[in-house]
Amino acid sequence: EAQVTQNPRYLITVTGKKLTVTCSQNMNHEYMSWYRQDPGLGLRQIYYSMNVEVTDKGDVPEGYKVSRKEKRNFPLILESPSPNQTSLYFCASTRGNTDTQYFGPGTRLTVL
Amino acid sequence: QKEVEQDPGPLSVPEGAIVSLNCTYSNSAFQYFMWYRQYSRKGPELLMYTYSSGNKEDGRFTAQVDKSSKYISLFIRDSQPSDSATYLCAMGVFSGGYNKLIFGAGTRLAVHP
Repeated sequence: EAQVTQNPRYLITVTGKKLTVTCSQNMNHEYMSWYRQDPGLGLRQIYYSMNVEVTDKGDVPEGYKVSRKEKRNFPLILESPSPNQTSLYFCASTRGNTDTQYFGPGTRLTVL
Repeated sequence: QKEVEQDPGPLSVPEGAIVSLNCTYSNSAFQYFMWYRQYSRKGPELLMYTYSSGNKEDGRFTAQVDKSSKYISLFIRDSQPSDSATYLCAMGVFSGGYNKLIFGAGTRLAVHP
């Protein structure tokens, strides 16, 4: 089954404790993105990647890092999480530049 | 001012009603328009995708784009309880070799039996 998976689905952590949210897709898509979703603000892009070793900032990249060492994986790293990073995070992948984006199930992160 | 404005609702309608969901946008560079549906505790899934002004129909769903007014709509005919979800509009523009999407905040719809 074609899908985007994220782990963990739920995470509660404390300020400053480094964490990684994993994202993996099995569709051989080139493009992958991370979004955060907050009430009243919709989905905002954090980072995106056009291919292996090619990443760029989205609209809200501060406090986040990403890497793309393999085509299928695109982890999101929070080196020193803060409470304002409490949000619902989605990973997405797409085959081509304008194709449908496939979203993962989301990761709900709470930073205390 | 946000690039994409969408009324968050919630919108509550009886089963069988026609639902109209709307978004306005300010950036005339947007080239394509999408509607995503998001069920509770799930990721968004693409519902409709269109490039041009006019109507596009798919079953009970019709997407309408008016580029001159910078206004898009999604109509749902014969709404069903299974249509209860949050509907997100999204606008796309090609920028720096990448397809950039800007999402609306989403409208929460509840269809009651």
